[in-house]
Amino acid sequence: AQSVTQLGSHVSVSEGALVLLRCNYSSSVPPYLFWYVQYPNQGLQLLLKYTTGATLVKGINGFEAEFKKSETSFHLTKPSAHMSDAAEYFCAVSGKDTGRRALTFGSGTRLQVQP
Amino acid sequence: DGGITQSPKYLFRKEGQNVTLSCEQNLNHDAMYWYRQDPGQGLRLIYYSQIVNDFQKGDIAEGYSVSREKKESFPLTVTSAQKNPTAFYLCASREETYTEAFFGQGTRLTVV
Repeated sequence: AQSVTQLGSHVSVSEGALVLLRCNYSSSVPPYLFWYVQYPNQGLQLLLKYTTGATLVKGINGFEAEFKKSETSFHLTKPSAHMSDAAEYFCAVSGKDTGRRALTFGSGTRLQVQP
Repeated sequence: DGGITQSPKYLFRKEGQNVTLSCEQNLNHDAMYWYRQDPGQGLRLIYYSQIVNDFQKGDIAEGYSVSREKKESFPLTVTSAQKNPTAFYLCASREETYTEAFFGQGTRLTVV
């Protein structure tokens, strides 16, 4: 079984401030982890993913995330927020050997960027 | 351009009617998925298919049906048995288990 918990349904930061969106996962098998972004009334776009190898993963638009197995976490960060980062962000997990090969999503975090 | 096309973008349904949401992909992916999105609940899996002529129920399959007659197409029917169908529906496809899913632009269904 897999699950994802995103702490904080809403996060507000000032433009230029650090962005930190939290994600903790539960998986009985080695996980594959993903962060997606969604703008209003649109589909989801992949920001970054962790499958194997380096635990610090860099993605698009200056975002990065670090896989910490001991903490079962995959938090998303960006050093300096931009107004265009305002959107909803979803963390997702997929297990390598699970019979159900679908991504399981967290409930999402809406990021607000204040000028 | 390769991608996933969902149609229509907006759909209105009267109570008691069945409606079908279209999802077509030209990415040559074997696996396809339907998710439902409601505010504050993230994405919940309705049905998925890993190969043509085969599909599996997800977490909230009641009141929905699907077919997978072609690799490119995975239509979702919202039946009158679905008591609360108003939601945003997202279709996705995926090449293999360890890869990311690609999403369509979604269909917003409203019951009137």
